[in-house]
Amino acid sequence: AQSVTQLGSHVSVSEGALVLLRCNYSSSVPPYLFWYVQYPNQGLQLLLKYTSAATLVKGINGFEAEFKKSETSFHLTKPSAHMSDAAEYFCAVIPNSGYSTLTFGKGTMLLVSP
Amino acid sequence: KAGVTQTPRYLIKTRGQQVTLSCSPISGHRSVSWYQQTPGQGLQFLFEYFSETQRNKGNFPGRFSGRQFSNSRSEMNVSTLELGDSALYLCASSWGQGNHNEQFFGPGTRLTVL
Repeated sequence: AQSVTQLGSHVSVSEGALVLLRCNYSSSVPPYLFWYVQYPNQGLQLLLKYTSAATLVKGINGFEAEFKKSETSFHLTKPSAHMSDAAEYFCAVIPNSGYSTLTFGKGTMLLVSP
Repeated sequence: KAGVTQTPRYLIKTRGQQVTLSCSPISGHRSVSWYQQTPGQGLQFLFEYFSETQRNKGNFPGRFSGRQFSNSRSEMNVSTLELGDSALYLCASSWGQGNHNEQFFGPGTRLTVL
């Protein structure tokens, strides 16, 4: 079964600093990969997705992620953190199986300090 | 275009009772998935419906059931509630089947079982 590992349940950065949230997946066949963000008391919002086109994927709010097959990774980055980026971030996969069921990582809470 | 709506937003029940949660997908979307979110287990897939048919089911006991109506609206039911069923239940809709269809999430229903 597919699994997703997010390294670090909490990541703290200062406003203006680089944001790096790590995600590794387990699969011999590259799946479809997604990053979602969840603000308090809200549902999930899609930031970006990898669907086997370009390996560098640009998303909303200045976020981007790079698919690295050799490292089975799909880390999320943003050059300069903003206070409004404070939220929980989830990496998710959908295997190449025909189903559209998302398997999520445990999530990483991003804390941004002034 | 209106987003995914879920009703009610908050619900308090006692052990042994049953509960029904409702999800209205984005207009034109035919696929609806349900996920349970808890602090301990994270986000877990419950089931997916497409055109009134259950396409996939997660690893949950038979107390959890769902259905989809001809207008794509979906309900999930939990019978004989247990304390561990306290969670945020998220509904997601997408246009069709398939790995790459973006899933749009609703704000969730917060269920508390006392």
